[in-house]
Amino acid sequence: ETGVTQTPRHLVMGMTNKKSLKCEQHLGHNAMYWYKQSAKKPLELMFVYNFKEQTENNSVPSRFSPECPNSSHLFLHLHTLQPEDSALYLCASSQSRTDTQYFGPGTRLTVL
Amino acid sequence: QKEVEQNSGPLSVPEGAIASLNCTYSDRVSQSFFWYRQYSGKSPELIMSIYSNGDKEDGRFTAQLNKASQYVSLLIRDSQPSDSATYLCAVADRGSTLGRLYFGRGTQLTVWP
Repeated sequence: ETGVTQTPRHLVMGMTNKKSLKCEQHLGHNAMYWYKQSAKKPLELMFVYNFKEQTENNSVPSRFSPECPNSSHLFLHLHTLQPEDSALYLCASSQSRTDTQYFGPGTRLTVL
Repeated sequence: QKEVEQNSGPLSVPEGAIASLNCTYSDRVSQSFFWYRQYSGKSPELIMSIYSNGDKEDGRFTAQLNKASQYVSLLIRDSQPSDSATYLCAVADRGSTLGRLYFGRGTQLTVWP
């Protein structure tokens, strides 16, 4: 695998479910990101990790819980989501926080 | 809050024309500038990066940077219907430990045959 991969690509879940999104980067980068993109809306930065340490949380509700066990893997744990959380969730990585970001293909999440 | 401004569009041009996409940014210390293309339902992909004042050309794409005016643009020559997408401008500062990339809201481009 090359670049940035995300699984699953599509996810449908109920409001009481718990699920996790996974991101893996094969680029040797040090920074990883979670973005949310709702229909016809701009990218919303959710979390930033640099060298496995969370450096930014943009007022994201606690029902979203990130985890970064190492510089290559990033998870987003989801629980008790709301229908308005339905969106495309994008993972990205970069060598440093000011370098080019490379995006994964995204997870299309639908909350029923 | 650092801002990256783009006209949301839609910008509509005929096939073969030049499409001009503009972006302004608020932070004078910004050092790196990027253009991404995002097709509907897909993730953004990097088209070009530019770091110095002037023009940078790559095939049909030319990025133009004017730091004094805090302005960066993307020109697409000989536009094709396959260029129809949303184009995102991104600007990075060099604020040491707090530096990061800021994205604009994107400009939607439609190239009609």
